[in-house]
Amino acid sequence: DQQVKQNSPSLSVQEGRISILNCDYTNSMFDYFLWYKKYPAEGPTFLISISSIKDKNEDGRFTVFLNKSAKHLSLHIVPSQPGDSAVYFCAASGGYNFNKFYFGSGTKLNVKP
Amino acid sequence: ETGVTQTPRHLVMGMTNKKSLKCEQHLGHNAMYWYKQSAKKPLELMFVYSLEERVENNSVPSRFSPECPNSSHLFLHLHTLQPEDSALYLCASSQSSGTPGDGYTFGSGTRLTVV
Repeated sequence: DQQVKQNSPSLSVQEGRISILNCDYTNSMFDYFLWYKKYPAEGPTFLISISSIKDKNEDGRFTVFLNKSAKHLSLHIVPSQPGDSAVYFCAASGGYNFNKFYFGSGTKLNVKP
Repeated sequence: ETGVTQTPRHLVMGMTNKKSLKCEQHLGHNAMYWYKQSAKKPLELMFVYSLEERVENNSVPSRFSPECPNSSHLFLHLHTLQPEDSALYLCASSQSSGTPGDGYTFGSGTRLTVV
């Protein structure tokens, strides 16, 4: 039973344009969400997070939006750069076990020069 | 060394072999994790150690045996594996505290191939 889903396995975007990566979750107890970025042959690295008390969090070119009623979050990258090409995972935690994260299957982003 | 270090980076083993994966964290964290990443699948949580005690075993077959001798080291002992166990094995650490903080810090992983 997959509690965090990333339904788009891949996304291709032109350099300078916006990249939008989507993530859906099923567990209403989740109240903390993160995005990780993974390059080949490296482990995932933390990118940005959001808690359920907010609906938006921004860090430079990266913005995460949370729609709790839809159980949906998205990561916007503006403007996209070729160095952003990587696999992006969303993760969620909540309830009493806030150190246990559930991950999606990832979306591979390709930013074309 | 900083962060989370995993060795070896690559491992090829036969189904009758016994091998171990090693993870070391230099962040002063008190929780460590093993995750399995198979192609096109979510990261699967295997084991969680908090303060050197195993707090979660996510229905992992007994051919995988974790060991956490102290808060900085984590091992995954492997024996009699199957080809479907071939995957990227990721170690992570975190500070088990009152907030999720920045989540985990991951190592670079061990790419395991079972032949």
